[in-house]
Amino acid sequence: EAQVTQNPRYLITVTGKKLTVTCSQNMNHEYMSWYRQDPGLGLRQIYYSMNVEVTDKGDVPEGYKVSRKEKRNFPLILESPSPNQTSLYFCASSPGTGGRYEQYFGPGTRLTVT
Amino acid sequence: SQQGEEDPQALSIQEGENATMNCSYKTSINNLQWYRQNSGRGLVHLILIRSNEREKHSGRLRVTLDTSKKSSSLLITASRAADTASYFCATDFISGGYNKLIFGAGTRLAVHP
Repeated sequence: EAQVTQNPRYLITVTGKKLTVTCSQNMNHEYMSWYRQDPGLGLRQIYYSMNVEVTDKGDVPEGYKVSRKEKRNFPLILESPSPNQTSLYFCASSPGTGGRYEQYFGPGTRLTVT
Repeated sequence: SQQGEEDPQALSIQEGENATMNCSYKTSINNLQWYRQNSGRGLVHLILIRSNEREKHSGRLRVTLDTSKKSSSLLITASRAADTASYFCATDFISGGYNKLIFGAGTRLAVHP
């Protein structure tokens, strides 16, 4: 089954404790991205990757890091989480860049930073 | 402000009625997409309409695009309780030489049995 998986689905952590949210897709998609969703703000893009070893900042990259060492995986790293990073996070993939193709979304990771 | 903005923010209807949601945007686009999100879950793609298309159908969904007014609408006919969800438009446009996809804040649709 074609899908995007994220782990963990729920995470409660404390300020400053480094964490990684994993994302994996099995569709051989070139393009992957991370979004955060906050009430009333819709989805905002954090980082995106157009292919292996090619990543770039989205609209709200501060406080986040990513890497793309393999085509299928695109982890999101919070080196020193802060309470303002409490949010619902989505990973997405698509065959090509930007909005030319439909995006396939993971189930989401609800992160709480206390 | 956001490239795509949905209207209304919330819509409450009875089963069997039609639901119409609108999306307005500011800059020229390549295409516009509609997504659905059940509470707290991942977004699911519904329809992609290109800038040279005016209307598209998929089952009970009808999407129109008016590039002169920079607006799109999503019509769900004969709504069902299972259509209860948030609906987002996303606009694809060129920014800094790259395709960029921007999501609106969404319309929350509640369909009552």
